[in-house]
Order: sequence, then structure tokens, then C-alpha cells
Amino acid sequence: EPEVTQTPSHQVTQMGQEVILRCVPISNHLYFYWYRQILGQKVEFLVSFYNNEISEKSEIFDDQFSVERPDGSNFTLKIRSTKLEDSAMYFCASSVSGYNTGELFFGEGSRLTVL
Amino acid sequence: AQSVSQHNHHVILSEAASLELGCNYSYGGTVNLFWYVQYPGQHLQLLLKYFSGDPLVKGIKGFEAEFIKSKFSFNLRKPSVQWSDTAEYFCAVNKGNAGNMLTFGGGTRLMVKP
Repeated sequence: EPEVTQTPSHQVTQMGQEVILRCVPISNHLYFYWYRQILGQKVEFLVSFYNNEISEKSEIFDDQFSVERPDGSNFTLKIRSTKLEDSAMYFCASSVSGYNTGELFFGEGSRLTVL
Repeated sequence: AQSVSQHNHHVILSEAASLELGCNYSYGGTVNLFWYVQYPGQHLQLLLKYFSGDPLVKGIKGFEAEFIKSKFSFNLRKPSVQWSDTAEYFCAVNKGNAGNMLTFGGGTRLMVKP
């Protein structure tokens, strides 16, 4: 069964450092997403991406964050200058369609710990 | 802004017991409703979804959910749980015609005792 893969599974970084989280979506999917879950809180939408541009983003997704599809397979989330409150589990997801299917395929997550 | 509430944070059941997990949302417009499940050590996966039509929807592994518009609810049910249903269950909503920006509830951890 095809799946979304994420690397690293866990990253520890110092405050102020840049972090790149990587995702390989399912190969025939066209829409890509990042969600995050701070420990003990809800899963929150960050951004959706289609056709090499951001299609939607939440208030959380400020200038500190960026996404990129640098090649035909990877989808990355960059956090430019990490803060303590960026510590969370970051989930990548992909879908075939961008409208109302709700059928997102999630990766297992990358746990980011900012010290 | 829309929000989703799951009132049960932890549920412990014995095998063969019936399950009902509550989900309420706050948004007055058209919504699409989902239940996702996360088994221990695994990724989130879609259990079932409601877009329109019959408000009683059936999903995988014997789960079903009923959309009650007047109550803004989308409760998840299973008549007889198994130990393998031990997982965290998330209700989620998106606005109709608003892409796949899901708003999740806080999740319910279900433990089924053998």
C-alpha cells in the first residue's frame, strides 16, 4: 500500500536554528499539506500546496515557515528560526484531489523538539 | 471560526462492549465531517466521512457515524469493539467547498481490554 513517508522521525534542535522537515507524498497525489500537533493539543492545519504554490495557510503559518517541492518527489517544511513553542509533531499529508474529499493520507509524523 | 469538540478524552471498554464517541462542531454553514483513527505507532488514517445524503455513514472495520444537523453532531459508533480497536480517534470538519483544510477535535483515546 502506498504511503506518505517523513524524515526525520525525531529532530532535536537549539532555539534559533533552522530546521527542514521532509516528506515524500504518495506518487500520484497532487495536493500536499502540513499539519502539526503540539503535545496535549489538537492537530492543527498549517498549509496546503498545489501546483508549486501555497493554496491555503493558517494563521500559524507565518513568515518563519516556508514550504517547497524542490524536486518531483519531496515536499519540505522549513522553519527558519525555531522557537521553543515550535516543539510539536509535524504531520505531512497528501491527497489526489484538493476539494472536499477529506481523504488525506498522513505520514507518521516528525517530532521536533526545540531546546 | 469553526471548532470541533470531542467530550470523551479517554475511554476504556471491555471487548464486545458497544462504543459511542461524541463529536460536536460549531459552524453554521455546510460542512463535511470525518473520523480519523491513529493506531499505536501508526499514521492517521480515514475511518469514514460524510459529505451529503444518508446521515448514517458506514466506514471501515464495522464503524459507523451519524450526522445530526440539528445537534451539530457526528458521533462515532461500533456495536462491539475488539482489542484491536485500541487507538486514538479524531473527529474533523471542513467547510463545504473549502478544500482540505481540516479542523480537528482533541481526540479520544480508546483502550479496549481483552
